[in-house]
Amino acid sequence: GQSLEQPSEVTAVEGAIVQINCTYQTSGFYGLSWYQQHDGGAPTFLSYNALDGLEETGRFSSFLSRSDSYGYLLLQELQMKDSASYFCAVVGSSNTGKLIFGQGTTLQVKP
Amino acid sequence: EAGVTQFPSHSVIEKGQTVTLRCDPISGHDNLYWYRRVMGKEIKFLLHFVKESKQDESGMPNNRFLAERTGGTYSTLKVQPAELEDSGVYFCASSLGRGRGETQYFGPGTRLLVL
Repeated sequence: GQSLEQPSEVTAVEGAIVQINCTYQTSGFYGLSWYQQHDGGAPTFLSYNALDGLEETGRFSSFLSRSDSYGYLLLQELQMKDSASYFCAVVGSSNTGKLIFGQGTTLQVKP
Repeated sequence: EAGVTQFPSHSVIEKGQTVTLRCDPISGHDNLYWYRRVMGKEIKFLLHFVKESKQDESGMPNNRFLAERTGGTYSTLKVQPAELEDSGVYFCASSLGRGRGETQYFGPGTRLLVL
């Protein structure tokens, strides 16, 4: 089977750092992506890791360990606008690029 | 540059009726994907087009679902006849390429409610 596990909810305060973990078990693995979705909106691409290690993009960083089938999204200097759902997604096929999603983590940032 | 658009944004129909969802990808994007999120569950892949050809339709739930992409531009997803379990949010996404690092750009989704 194919499964991705991530926490359902995370709460943090403005200015803090939060880490959202994702573990996966899939038949194919060609990279791990992260998407952000604000209430009722379109999922928006945040990052992609194909190799082990850390990728940094501004306040957001993403990490991958293929040997542990594990990754995380790190959000620094949290802002109220970061309140959203965050999805990890495995690229399940190199031929089609189809994404296999986790159930999403709802991040609530409090003042 | 316009993003991925989907129509309608919401649809409420009765069980047994037919509904057609439309997706307009970003201009020039050969790759078009349909995904679905049923209430409380993860976003699931339905199928993938490259231009007008179906590359992978392994996620289509059953033969009540028919996707087309005539001319390789916009795509439609028809559900006929609709069942209660078809309720959910249907997302379309497009990408320029289909390699491992290609970004998929999602539309806002169509919220389908089958009564």
